[in-house]
Amino acid sequence: AQSVTQPDIHITVSEGASLELRCNYSYGATPYLFWYVQSPGQGLQLLLKYFSGDTLVQGIKGFEAEFKRSQSSFNLRKPSVHWSDAAEYFCAVGAVTGGGNKLTFGTGTQLKVEL
Amino acid sequence: DAGVIQSPRHEVTEMGQEVTLRCKPISGHDYLFWYRQTMMRGLELLIYFNNNVPIDDSGMPEDRFSAKMPNASFSTLKIQPSEPRDSAVYFCASSLAGATNTGELFFGEGSRLTVL
Repeated sequence: AQSVTQPDIHITVSEGASLELRCNYSYGATPYLFWYVQSPGQGLQLLLKYFSGDTLVQGIKGFEAEFKRSQSSFNLRKPSVHWSDAAEYFCAVGAVTGGGNKLTFGTGTQLKVEL
Repeated sequence: DAGVIQSPRHEVTEMGQEVTLRCKPISGHDYLFWYRQTMMRGLELLIYFNNNVPIDDSGMPEDRFSAKMPNASFSTLKIQPSEPRDSAVYFCASSLAGATNTGELFFGEGSRLTVL
């Protein structure tokens, strides 16, 4: 069965500082990996995704993530955090089979940004 | 373009009452998912549909929960009778299959359910 681990429940960074959110997955084949962001009272919005090819993927809002097969990781990074990045971030793994995509989400990392 | 639309946004009810949550997926999407989000368990997939047919309902917690998709533009999640432990935010999401499928799920804003 597929699973996702986000080891950090809460992270606090200062505005302008760099950010890295950790994600480890378990999956029997080449995974499809995603990062979503959820602002308070909102649904989840896709930040970026990895299917194949270049292991460094770029997303919206200046985020990027790197797929490392040897470490079963897909960590999310941003070089300089803005106060508006404060939100909850979810890593997800899934398999696109037959067109549909059943995702398994991690438990999320709550990001707080100090001004 | 309209995104996934859920209603109601907030529902407060008493234990034992029936609750119906509604979802309108993005037009043209052929997969629809119902997720539940709680502090304790995070995001859990309850059930998903393909072309209005339920594919996997293994996440539905018990018989008190049921979901239907009578047509491509409407789905309901019903809880009868409701219990306090059902209090959560329920999300609906849709996606598009086919050669251009990127696997992205498009989420609604959720329905926050409180059962007293």
